[in-house]
Amino acid sequence: IAGITQAPTSQILAAGRRMTLRCTQDMRHNAMYWYRQDLGLGLRLIHYSNTAGTTGKGEVPDGYSVSRANTDDFPLTLASAVPSQTSVYFCASSPRTGHGYTFGSGTRLTVV
Amino acid sequence: GQSLEQPSEVTAVEGAIVQINCTYQTSGFYGLSWYQQHDGGAPTFPSYNALDGLEETGRFSSFLSRSDSYGYLLLQELQMKDSASYFCAPLNDYKLSFGAGTTVTVRA
Repeated sequence: IAGITQAPTSQILAAGRRMTLRCTQDMRHNAMYWYRQDLGLGLRLIHYSNTAGTTGKGEVPDGYSVSRANTDDFPLTLASAVPSQTSVYFCASSPRTGHGYTFGSGTRLTVV
Repeated sequence: GQSLEQPSEVTAVEGAIVQINCTYQTSGFYGLSWYQQHDGGAPTFPSYNALDGLEETGRFSSFLSRSDSYGYLLLQELQMKDSASYFCAPLNDYKLSFGAGTTVTVRA
């Protein structure tokens, strides 16, 4: 692993199903973030974590949950997917909050 | 509330200079970042301004005026590979917020 890795790369999901998007970084960055990107709306912050063991809500947290059990992993869970959650999801990390984000390559999720 | 404005599209020829302006309104402002994104891939980190003034990183320069809530990204000696989306991202409350982005198209 070099940098930040997201999985899966893409997924088609039936509405109502539960889904966890994985994000792992090997840079020992303290802060991690989940964004969604929709056409014409840029990137919107879903949830964030300033350090292991803490999480916070971003701009569009409804329908999503996160956990930060350790420094490296920051999974994003959709408890019951809906079509409006169709989007490209980017995970990012930074050595300290707000500075020098490194982004993953994204997960393209389609909820049908 | 928070708001952020940047142009949606800019087109220029190779070798030209492009300036992408950004005006923002946000609380807890700490600085301004600019990110580049090619074809929906991972955004990358061209620049960050914490203080007023000009920061230069190779062909890219970024400017910030806190009193005017304004910044810009300057792309010099444009190359075809600079065709991408560029996002103005104010750092507020220790988190980055992103605008809709500016699509820069470089023509031969």
